[in-house]
Amino acid sequence: GQNIDQPTEMTATEGAIVQINCTYQTSGFNGLFWYQQHAGEAPTFLSYNVLDGLEEKGRFSSFLSRSKGYSYLLLKELQMKDSASYLCAVLDSNYQLIWGAGTKLIIKP
Amino acid sequence: GAVVSQHPSWVICKSGTSVKIECRSLDFQATTMFWYRQFPKQSLMLMATSNEGSKATYEQGVEKDKFLINHASLTLSTLTVTSAHPEDSSFYICSARDQMTSGTPYEQYFGPGTRLTVT
Repeated sequence: GQNIDQPTEMTATEGAIVQINCTYQTSGFNGLFWYQQHAGEAPTFLSYNVLDGLEEKGRFSSFLSRSKGYSYLLLKELQMKDSASYLCAVLDSNYQLIWGAGTKLIIKP
Repeated sequence: GAVVSQHPSWVICKSGTSVKIECRSLDFQATTMFWYRQFPKQSLMLMATSNEGSKATYEQGVEKDKFLINHASLTLSTLTVTSAHPEDSSFYICSARDQMTSGTPYEQYFGPGTRLTVT
């Protein structure tokens, strides 16, 4: 079966750095997405990785290791508005997005 | 660019009635649209994939006669929840793929969601 694992909830302090991990086992791989979803709102795109390595975009970076079936989202200089759920999703061999359950990130002052 | 709208944003209906939700891609053409359902504190659950001009593909466990999907044009897909019951109360979100994107391939653009409450 297809499986994507990410922690259910994480807590971090404003101004700090947090890393949200995602491991996956899917039938094929055509890229990995990270989305941010605030409560009661639709997900918004953060990043897409298809090759190994680190992609940096402002305060957010995303890393991929295809051989390990592993990715992480790194958030720096945390702000209160970063409190949200972060969804990891893998594009499988059929180009279907397989979603993780999401990680709820709580930022404390 | 790549804006998806959804209407209505919230709806309350009585048990046994039907509700139609519209999903529109405003500034791009979407051959493929997706319908998701999300219960509180849970992740997105794909209900069906809608392709313009053809029948939708439903995920296992989703009743196609209850959740009617129509994708009549490259910018509009509709989801009709027929004979709604309280257990259908949920957050319904659509997304669309831009077939002509020069950006991230297979990225899905999400609508703002529709909160359905069945009483």
